[in-house]
Amino acid sequence: AQSVTQPDIHITVSEGASLELRCNYSYGATPYLFWYVQSPGQGLQLLLKYFSGDTLVQGIKGFEAEFKRSQSSFNLRKPSVHWSDAAEYFCAVGAQGGSEKLVFGKGTKLTVNP
Amino acid sequence: SQTIHQWPATLVQPVGSPLSLECTVEGTSNPNLYWYRQAAGRGLQLLFYSVGIGQISSEVPQNLSASRPQDRQFILSSKKLLLSDSGFYLCAWTPGGGDYGYTFGSGTRLTVV
Repeated sequence: AQSVTQPDIHITVSEGASLELRCNYSYGATPYLFWYVQSPGQGLQLLLKYFSGDTLVQGIKGFEAEFKRSQSSFNLRKPSVHWSDAAEYFCAVGAQGGSEKLVFGKGTKLTVNP
Repeated sequence: SQTIHQWPATLVQPVGSPLSLECTVEGTSNPNLYWYRQAAGRGLQLLFYSVGIGQISSEVPQNLSASRPQDRQFILSSKKLLLSDSGFYLCAWTPGGGDYGYTFGSGTRLTVV
């Protein structure tokens, strides 16, 4: 069965600094990988996804992620963080097949200092 | 355009009381539907999913159940709530076909007291 690990529970960065959120997955086949963002008390919004092809994926809000098969990682990056990026971020892996089930990591809470 | 409605937004229920959370999707047909629960520090846990009317798959054995009485309606129920059922419940849908294009509802905060 697939699983996702987000090693960092909470990260604090200064506004304008670069950001990298870590995600490691476990899955026997080629994974479908996703990053979602959640503002407090809200649902989740898709930032980006990887199915195949170019291992560097561009998403919304200036985010990107890189798939590294050798490291089983799919880290999320942003070159310059804005105060509005403060939220919780979830990495997820999808099982192939008709159900389109997602397995989520436990999330990383991002705090942005002015 | 497609929209997803989930209600109520918040709910406080006593232990042992029944539960019914409803989720409806508009603007699409035959969606895949999902119920996830989010507990603090535990990420999102898939509870149930459905790929068609009357087709329910359970991921976690518990005192919750789900039903899909209509194509775009997904209901999460319990006959007797436990304290451990407290959490943030999210409904989501995908169009199917391997797109994984999840759209989440705004969630229900359930507190069992």
